[in-house]
Amino acid sequence: SQQGEEDPQALSIQEGENATMNCSYKTSINNLQWYRQNSGRGLVHLILIRSNEREKHSGRLRVTLDTSKKSSSLLITASRAADTASYFCATANQAGTALIFGKGTTLSVSS
Amino acid sequence: DTEVTQTPKHLVMGMTNKKSLKCEQHMGHRAMYWYKQKAKKPPELMFVYSYEKLSINESVPSRFSPECPNSSLLNLHLHALQPEDSALYLCASSQARQALGYTFGSGTRLTVV
Repeated sequence: SQQGEEDPQALSIQEGENATMNCSYKTSINNLQWYRQNSGRGLVHLILIRSNEREKHSGRLRVTLDTSKKSSSLLITASRAADTASYFCATANQAGTALIFGKGTTLSVSS
Repeated sequence: DTEVTQTPKHLVMGMTNKKSLKCEQHMGHRAMYWYKQKAKKPPELMFVYSYEKLSINESVPSRFSPECPNSSLLNLHLHALQPEDSALYLCASSQARQALGYTFGSGTRLTVV
């Protein structure tokens, strides 16, 4: 399976702290994407990093990609209560025609 | 319009009922997807439509029947479901043939009784 595996499964932090979640995948990729899902809602695309990129920033988000280790990390700096959600990494299936999602990390930010 | 709209938001159906889920987008996306998500699990791919043609069926039971009447609309017809089919059903769309930057709907929360 190409599905990513995130760790930790759950993360609880205080507002203002940084949150780091990791994703590992099994096969070669063209890109890796991160999505956020608020409780019981649809997923929202956060950021995409291509296989030839090592790091990418978007606002308070920083994503890294290490293709040699087949892993990626998502860092959320200065967390807010509104960041409470599940975060999934996703990679394309072998044909590149659909996304397969990792198991996800549930982030809880308390004020 | 940058949204994917799913209706209904909630659905309760009996095991002998026939119902349909609807998904609509007006972003000009030519790929549309159905995912099923159980509690505390990731979304699981069910079907992919590309240019209104079914391109992927992830061995989904025949009690789920997808339909893509036009480039903006995707339906999922449900018949003789089981209680274990209760889940959040998510629709998504993207530029055709590229698994990039999906736009998801808010989902239909389905309960089979």
